[in-house]
Amino acid sequence: GQQVQQSPASLVLQEGENAELQCNFSTSLNSMQWFYQRPEGSLVSLFYNPSGTKQSGRLTSTTVIKERRSSLHISSSQITDSGTYLCAMELNYGGSGNKLIFGTGTLLSVKP
Amino acid sequence: EAAVTQSPRSKVAVTGGKVTLSCHQTNNHDYMYWYRQDTGHGLRLIHYSYVADSTEKGDIPDGYKASRPSQENFSLILELASLSQTAVYFCASKQGANTLYFGAGTRLSVL
Repeated sequence: GQQVQQSPASLVLQEGENAELQCNFSTSLNSMQWFYQRPEGSLVSLFYNPSGTKQSGRLTSTTVIKERRSSLHISSSQITDSGTYLCAMELNYGGSGNKLIFGTGTLLSVKP
Repeated sequence: EAAVTQSPRSKVAVTGGKVTLSCHQTNNHDYMYWYRQDTGHGLRLIHYSYVADSTEKGDIPDGYKASRPSQENFSLILELASLSQTAVYFCASKQGANTLYFGAGTRLSVL
């Protein structure tokens, strides 16, 4: 089954509204990351966040490893925030190294 | 900023033909990954490598081979391309417990 569950699958906001995106994991993990995929397809890292809370501008990521969940809060959304937000969990496979498994993403659309 | 370069950026292949996608990173990262992205499936891991001359199977390795001849280069090989392998392919790299850096992606169409 799907090891990384993201919610909501899609979200429409009016400019200026806040958003809370969720990521839940079905297994123990080493760490997790949040990514933003631009509408044209390129991917950028937002947060490497193995635990606790990290903030960058209007974005805040909170990870609670013991509860196998992470959230991404977007405050005062802007039209340029539109795109897909992906979370990924990192698993250690001992002699086979580390794998990163992605969720299916949250498609965010911010309207004027 | 880590640099990950993929080539080609797009390709049209015929069914049954051989396709090689290349990835080059300039930051001496240990880990390199190949993902494919299809609508509704997010990013799925095909193969990865954590050391040169060694590759590991990801979650969907069937129909794909990988090669890591050096620290910097990681290739994905489709020996017999099929229609179902039409997708966008992303290469990524990272060093240890750290941020993952992606290439720009390769759009592959198999006809």
